[in-house]
Amino acid sequence: QVTLKESGPVLVKPTETLTLTCTVSGFSLSNARMGVSWIRQPPGKALEWLAHIFSNDEKSYSTSLKSRLTISKDTSKSQVVLTMTNMDPVDTATYYCARLMASYYYMDVWGKGTTVTVSS
Amino acid sequence: EIVLTQSPGTLSLSPGERATLSCRASQSVSSSYLAWYQQKPGQAPRLLIYGASSRATGIPDRFSGSGSGTDFTLTISRLEPEDFAVYYCQQYGGITFGQGTRLEIK
Repeated sequence: QVTLKESGPVLVKPTETLTLTCTVSGFSLSNARMGVSWIRQPPGKALEWLAHIFSNDEKSYSTSLKSRLTISKDTSKSQVVLTMTNMDPVDTATYYCARLMASYYYMDVWGKGTTVTVSS
Repeated sequence: EIVLTQSPGTLSLSPGERATLSCRASQSVSSSYLAWYQQKPGQAPRLLIYGASSRATGIPDRFSGSGSGTDFTLTISRLEPEDFAVYYCQQYGGITFGQGTRLEIK
């Protein structure tokens, strides 16, 4: 069974750096056919893709957030980490990680999400 | 960046009716890279359709996807009570999502 689980702080202060971890099971981060994406959703709003990473370490970032994002992986730990710098209240959202299929770039299995609030 | 525009914003229908949801892209999208998701309140999105018309594992056949170029459609042939949710389309070319269509009970 494929599962993904997000973890990280519930509350961060403005200007701080957010670090989120996605722990996967049921598939390997070394599988060339699969990657992991991060997506967020502000309360009551639409989904916004943030970044993805594949087994060969190929990375891609949202154009609007590229300067603030870093994605990395630790294959031995089955973890993908996303950092976002200079957090602002508008970054308050539920953050999801999802398995990304390299064939057609769709996300077939999602984590339950973790809610992050940015407030002083 | 390709912008996806979904219409209508809200669709009010009754169980048993047919639902047609539209997703229009600002430039041509390869059909291979168009997906649809369903999201219920408090839940993560669930993949319904990939490659514009292929149903994901476990998705009932009342859900179907079609389209090409800049115009794509998700059709639910006969609405069941559990189908009332928000639906998003997504493309790859720099991954983007549409703003969603809320399907509500009339």
